[in-house]
Amino acid sequence: GAVVSQHPSWVICKSGTSVKIECRSLDFQATTMFWYRQFPKQSLMLMATSNEGSKATYEQGVEKDKFLINHASLTLSTLTVTSAHPEDSSFYICSAPPGTSGGKSNEQFFGPGTRLTVL
Amino acid sequence: GNSVTQMEGPVTLSEEAFLTINCTYTATGYPSLFWYVQYPGEGLQLLLKATKADDKGSNKGFEATYRKETTSFHLEKGSVQVSDSAVYFCALSSRNSYSTLTFGKGTMLLVSP
Repeated sequence: GAVVSQHPSWVICKSGTSVKIECRSLDFQATTMFWYRQFPKQSLMLMATSNEGSKATYEQGVEKDKFLINHASLTLSTLTVTSAHPEDSSFYICSAPPGTSGGKSNEQFFGPGTRLTVL
Repeated sequence: GNSVTQMEGPVTLSEEAFLTINCTYTATGYPSLFWYVQYPGEGLQLLLKATKADDKGSNKGFEATYRKETTSFHLEKGSVQVSDSAVYFCALSSRNSYSTLTFGKGTMLLVSP
C-alpha cells in the first residue's frame, strides 16, 4: 500500500519554542492531507485539512495561528506548532487519501505519528 | 453530528481465543465504516471496511458486518494470535465528506501466548 512518513518521530522542546513536523507521501501524490491529534487513551481528533496550493481548513476550536499548516507540494505538508506550551504535548498524526482525488476517496493512509513533548 | 463508540480496553486474551470488539455509530445518511489497526510504534493501517448495509469486510482473519438496523460494525476474529496485539480503531466517513474520518477511542488488544 501507499506509504506516508512523518519527521521527526519524536521531539522534545522548551516552552515558547516552535516545532515543525513534516508529513510526506512517499510513493503517491496527495492534494489533500489531514492532521490529527491524539491524546493518551483518546481518539484521533481531526485538527485541519491541508490543501496543496491553498489555505488549510481548520476544525472548530483549533487555533490557526497556533498550528500553522503549509502544503507546499503534492508530497509534503508541514505542521508548525508555534510558541509551544506543555498543553500542546500530544501525538500528532497525518494522513492522506491516495492520488489527486481532491479528498474524494474514503480511504486514507496514515503516517506513524510524531510524539511532541513540551517542557 | 457523527460519532463512534467502541468498547474500552484493554482486551486481554489468550492465543487462539475468540475476539469481539464492539463498535456502534451515530451518523446521518449512509456512512462508510472502517476498522484501523495501530501496531506499536507504527501508523494506523486500514484493516477492513464496508461501504453499505449488510456488507462484510474481511482481512487477515478479521471480519465485521455493517448492520444498519443496530448501527453497529463489530470486529471479530475466530482465533487471535500474539501478533494481533495492537490498538484497534473503529471509524466512519459520511457521504457528505468522503475523506473526513470520525474515530472511536480505540481498543487495545493484548494477546498472550
